[in-house]
Amino acid sequence: KQEVTQIPAALSVPEGENLVLNCSFTDSAIYNLQWFRQDPGKGLTSLLLIQSSQREQTSGRLNASLDKSSGRSTLYIAASQPGDSATYLCAVRDRETSGSRLTFGEGTQLTVNP
Amino acid sequence: NAGVTQTPKFQVLKTGQSMTLQCAQDMNHEYMSWYRQDPGMGLRLIHYSVGAGITDQGEVPNGYNVSRSTTEDFPLRLLSAAPSQTSVYFCASSPRQVNYGYTFGSGTRLTVV
Repeated sequence: KQEVTQIPAALSVPEGENLVLNCSFTDSAIYNLQWFRQDPGKGLTSLLLIQSSQREQTSGRLNASLDKSSGRSTLYIAASQPGDSATYLCAVRDRETSGSRLTFGEGTQLTVNP
Repeated sequence: NAGVTQTPKFQVLKTGQSMTLQCAQDMNHEYMSWYRQDPGMGLRLIHYSVGAGITDQGEVPNGYNVSRSTTEDFPLRLLSAAPSQTSVYFCASSPRQVNYGYTFGSGTRLTVV
């Protein structure tokens, strides 16, 4: 059974720092991995989708990497801003479930201090 | 394009009452699923569907029923609400093609008293 872990559970940084959020998964037979952002009391917004054949995916100040063989993904946020404060979730779509649903990590709660 | 629409956004129920959480998508996605989100437990899968007329149980299905009579709609029914079902519920959809991502609704915050 796929298990997804996100470390750290919470992170507090000063504005302007570059930071890395980590996501690991136990079954490397995945189709893709998706990073989401969730603001307090709100829904999930998709940030990046990285396919199993890709190593990196970029959107603005965000860069997601994927090392499928080691079961790890990172989300790199450059020049962090207070508006980046949110919970970041990763989720995998895997072959065992034929891609019919996602398995989520518990998220990293990020606070960027002005 | 509305995406995934969930109604209601908020609901308070008394223990023992029943209700249906609505989920509709207008993207012609084959796959739909329901998750609940609880503090410290992440998102857990309740039920999912790979097409009209096909549903299956997820990780935490007890106390919930689903049906999928059309591609667009995937309602979640609480048969007899319990305080343990107090949670935020999210519906998601995706095309069958596995190179796509999932799109989520904005959620329903349910309180059972």
